[in-house]
Amino acid sequence: QKEVEQNSGPLSVPEGAIASLNCTYSDRGSQSFFWYRQYSGKSPELIMFIYSNGDKEDGRFTAQLNKASQYVSLLIRDSQPSDSATYLCAGIYNQGGKLIFGQGTELSVKP
Amino acid sequence: SQTIHQWPATLVQPVGSPLSLECTVEGTSNPNLYWYRQAAGRGLQLLFYSVGIGQISSEVPQNLSASRPQDRQFILSSKKLLLSDSGFYLCAWSYGWGNEQFFGPGTRLTVL
Repeated sequence: QKEVEQNSGPLSVPEGAIASLNCTYSDRGSQSFFWYRQYSGKSPELIMFIYSNGDKEDGRFTAQLNKASQYVSLLIRDSQPSDSATYLCAGIYNQGGKLIFGQGTELSVKP
Repeated sequence: SQTIHQWPATLVQPVGSPLSLECTVEGTSNPNLYWYRQAAGRGLQLLFYSVGIGQISSEVPQNLSASRPQDRQFILSSKKLLLSDSGFYLCAWSYGWGNEQFFGPGTRLTVL
């Protein structure tokens, strides 16, 4: 059973702090990982994807992938109240090509 | 640029009634198409996916069905809705396998 695990939260951080969201996966066959942001009542929107070990930065967001330890993380620098949402981690297995989603972590950024 | 549409946005249906949800994609050809359901406070459950016209793969056996009558049109149907069919239905598309998926705005279905 291929799984992607996330802490459901809520994770609460003060405005301006770094929010760290983590995700682990069970199958070493995972090739690519995606982070989606979902505001309450809305559909998920893609933030970043990563498929190589190491860090990938895009503005205030940094995705980190460690294939040896089978975890993926998303760092949000200078967190803003508008970042308050549920963040979904998803992995893709090239053999099947389907996205496997975690349950999501709820992030709350307090002013 | 690519755009994905879903309708209706919200729907309230009685138990036992039929269902038809529609999804269309603009600005791309031969996309992979997907139907997901998200129950309240839960993760995304893949229901169906399609790699081409008339090709449907089912992930979860249930009283729902899907069809792809045209390249960029994906339809989710049911002959008789159950209470457990309530949820947020999301359509998504991708360029082939192994690539990121882009979601439509979703349809919120309540079965009473």
